[in-house]
Amino acid sequence: GAGVSQSPRYKVAKRGQDVALRCDPISGHVSLFWYQQALGQGPEFLTYFQNEAQLDKSGLPSDRFFAERPEGSVSTLKIQRTQQEDSAVYLCASSTIRGYEQYFGPGTRLTVT
Amino acid sequence: GQQVMQIPQYQHVQEGEDFTTYCNSSTTLSNIQWYKQRPGGHPVFLIQLVKSGEVKKQKRLTFQFGEAKKNSSLHITATQTTDVGTYFCAGRRGGADGLTFGKGTHLIIQP
Repeated sequence: GAGVSQSPRYKVAKRGQDVALRCDPISGHVSLFWYQQALGQGPEFLTYFQNEAQLDKSGLPSDRFFAERPEGSVSTLKIQRTQQEDSAVYLCASSTIRGYEQYFGPGTRLTVT
Repeated sequence: GQQVMQIPQYQHVQEGEDFTTYCNSSTTLSNIQWYKQRPGGHPVFLIQLVKSGEVKKQKRLTFQFGEAKKNSSLHITATQTTDVGTYFCAGRRGGADGLTFGKGTHLIIQP
């Protein structure tokens, strides 16, 4: 079946621009996670949704980062006024049971110039 | 906050040699997961360990969870070129959402 999909796969933004990254989780998966992965590093947790409820946003690095999942399926991660330090791969993952196996999407590589 | 440390950062082996990566958490974990990420790819789930002292095997891969549930290891026997990639451990504290990943061990295999 279809896995987690993310779009766009690559995004180049000029510093100060806003960007929106989309995640389509596996159908029926209740839990959805966003992670940020810098080059050569492990993924770092950003935020977690259970259905449409954002239960944990403790990993969002600043108030420029905002995530939503209004209907409990597709999620969007928005970054306002992008900075160079925001350059990274943004990974979305979904799962059926909180804390168990997470299925990752291919990621969106964001480059801020 | 919770920290998960992994060593070594890089490991070069000859094809056919064994490989081990170690993971240590600053706090007790409710469970630990292992993921593999191929170059240019995304993390793929390998296994979850839950019980203190647990050992699980998947063909040439052996996973262990420490008695204190603060450390774990992954051992690969007789590496093959298909084992190339970065191996991450990831911990989840009880009641916390999301995973805390280690920095990973990059496995490089020389034929």
